[in-house]
Amino acid sequence: ETGVTQTPRHLVMGMTNKKSLKCEQHLGHNAMYWYKQSAKKPLELMFVYSLEERVENNSVPSRFSPECPNSSHLFLHLHTLQPEDSALYLCASGPRYVGEQYFGPGTRLTVT
Amino acid sequence: KQEVTQIPAALSVPEGENLVLNCSFTDSAIYNLQWFRQDPGKGLTSLLLIQSSQREQTSGRLNASLDKSSGRSTLYIAASQPGDSATYLCAVTTQGGSEKLVFGKGTKLTVNP
Repeated sequence: ETGVTQTPRHLVMGMTNKKSLKCEQHLGHNAMYWYKQSAKKPLELMFVYSLEERVENNSVPSRFSPECPNSSHLFLHLHTLQPEDSALYLCASGPRYVGEQYFGPGTRLTVT
Repeated sequence: KQEVTQIPAALSVPEGENLVLNCSFTDSAIYNLQWFRQDPGKGLTSLLLIQSSQREQTSGRLNASLDKSSGRSTLYIAASQPGDSATYLCAVTTQGGSEKLVFGKGTKLTVNP
């Protein structure tokens, strides 16, 4: 399998649940990203990992917890989310410092 | 703070028409600019990447131009087809090697048969 994959593609969770989103890239890139896309808003960068170290956290609430165990995998752990966290969560990867990013298909998250 | 604006927010054209999508950015110190396509509920597909030293890039029926000094880019689509219907996003990378992409809100394009 090539490119950037994300699982699950759709997720419905209650506010008290704990779930995780998974992203995997097979492109040999050394940087990975989580973005949030809400209706009628620009894509918002949430986290950047480069060489498995977090290099940027755009003031994301602690109910979102990223994990990058190696350069090919990225997780976003979710707990006690709010309905306003419902959105499309996109993962991307790219070579560091180049700005070129390749996106996965996204996970459509609904918090009830 | 870099801000990216895309005009129009939505555009509807008949099949076969040539069209232009606009993108503007407030800080001209960019590293590169990318145009993406997003189909409903899907991820982003990179269409064209223009480095800050370039003026334009072409891929098939698509041509993207960059005027860094004026903070503008255009995406030209020739002979539009219904399959071109999607949201088109513009994003810039800040100069200095940052990985951060700053996105516009996109232009939703509908090409009618």
